[in-house]
Parts: sequence; structure tokens; C-alpha cells
Amino acid sequence: RKEVEQDPGPFNVPEGATVAFNCTYSNSASQSFFWYRQDCRKEPKLLMSVYSSGNEDGRFTAQLNRASQYISLLIRDSKLSDSATYLCVGGNYNNNDMRFGAGTRLTVKP
Amino acid sequence: NAGVTQTPKFRILKIGQSMTLQCAQDMNHNYMYWYRQDPGMGLKLIYYSVGAGITDKGEVPNGYNVSRSTTEDFPLRLELAAPSQTSVYFCASSYGRVQTGELFFGEGSRLTVL
Repeated sequence: RKEVEQDPGPFNVPEGATVAFNCTYSNSASQSFFWYRQDCRKEPKLLMSVYSSGNEDGRFTAQLNRASQYISLLIRDSKLSDSATYLCVGGNYNNNDMRFGAGTRLTVKP
Repeated sequence: NAGVTQTPKFRILKIGQSMTLQCAQDMNHNYMYWYRQDPGMGLKLIYYSVGAGITDKGEVPNGYNVSRSTTEDFPLRLELAAPSQTSVYFCASSYGRVQTGELFFGEGSRLTVL
């Protein structure tokens, strides 16, 4: 079983739609979580950290549910430029390791 | 600032050959990492370093070696290349422990072993 699992998609949505991705993690020792964005054939870039209380950055909202061990990312009012692969990441303070999910691919269409 | 620079961007190796992937960062970050990304798989940590002279194994270290003689450079050595090492390799750096900060990635090195 992968330590961080995501629905690979693809999610195909029209501009302006709201889309949500979920991610589950199996290691209960994971303590910090992030969403990274990766454009096709490019390097990953940090989109946002995920805090226990939930956090928002413009059109993006991240949620963490420790009891159920899942993380979510909500994108409102999707733009064409949001088309990318979104990587869920969990980290453990006990070692310097971040575990990446395989990513969820999003395509926003006109 | 250039950020994290990786070379080469592309390389084809024959089975059994060796090579070094170069990585340099100009952000004065203490922490540096090497990941590999295979299709449909998440990034997997090969090796990491918390400062000059200190390196440690990640999740998939077999077949690789690293060194960290300076803060800026963190080369990854592939000995006796195998087809299973065909992948995209990303070097990354961070100011502090990875769990508390942002990872800055290089553009990646695409390696094919035939």
C-alpha cells in the first residue's frame, strides 16, 4: 500500500467550476502536509501548506482530517491556468522524509 | 538568483555505464535532496544532506551515491547503470527541515538507460 494515495484522475472540468481532490495517508506519524503543483514536464512547486484548522489561499482551500487521515484541496472558480498535476505530500518530523503521492491530474477546459 | 540548477537535462546511458548528475543551489540552503520520479508514481527520496559533509539514505538509495563537500553542490553518482534507473531525477533544497519549509526543485534530469 502506498503511504500517500491520490485519485490519479484525470479530472476534466469547465472554466469556473469548483473541483475537489482528496488524498489519504497511511502513516499516522505524518505530521506536516502540503500540496504541490507540477506542470507537464516541469518541476514540482509548493502550492500551499495544510494546517489542522484548514487554510485558504485565494481560490484554494486545504483541509486536514487527522482522525480519518485524509487531506483535501478545493479549487473554486477554476482557471485554464490551473491545469496541472497536484501532488499531495506528507512529512514526518522523526526523519527528514517527505512522502509524495503520485498526483491528481486536472485539466480545465474553456 | 538561479535557484537550483541541475545538469545534464537529458542523458542516455548504456547498461553498466556510470555517470554523475550535478546539482547546485545558490540560496545558501543547508538541506539538499535527490528524488526520482517514475510515471504514475510519487517522487521517491534517494539521498539527502543536512549540511556539508553530512549525507543520509532516503527511501531508494541502492545503486546511487552522493557527496556534499560544499553547501552549494550535491552531486548524485550512478554506478553500473541499470534499466530500472530510467527516470526523471530532481534535486531540491530547503532552508530548514523539509517538514517546516518549502522544497525548491531543479528543473529535472531525464535519464534513460538502454
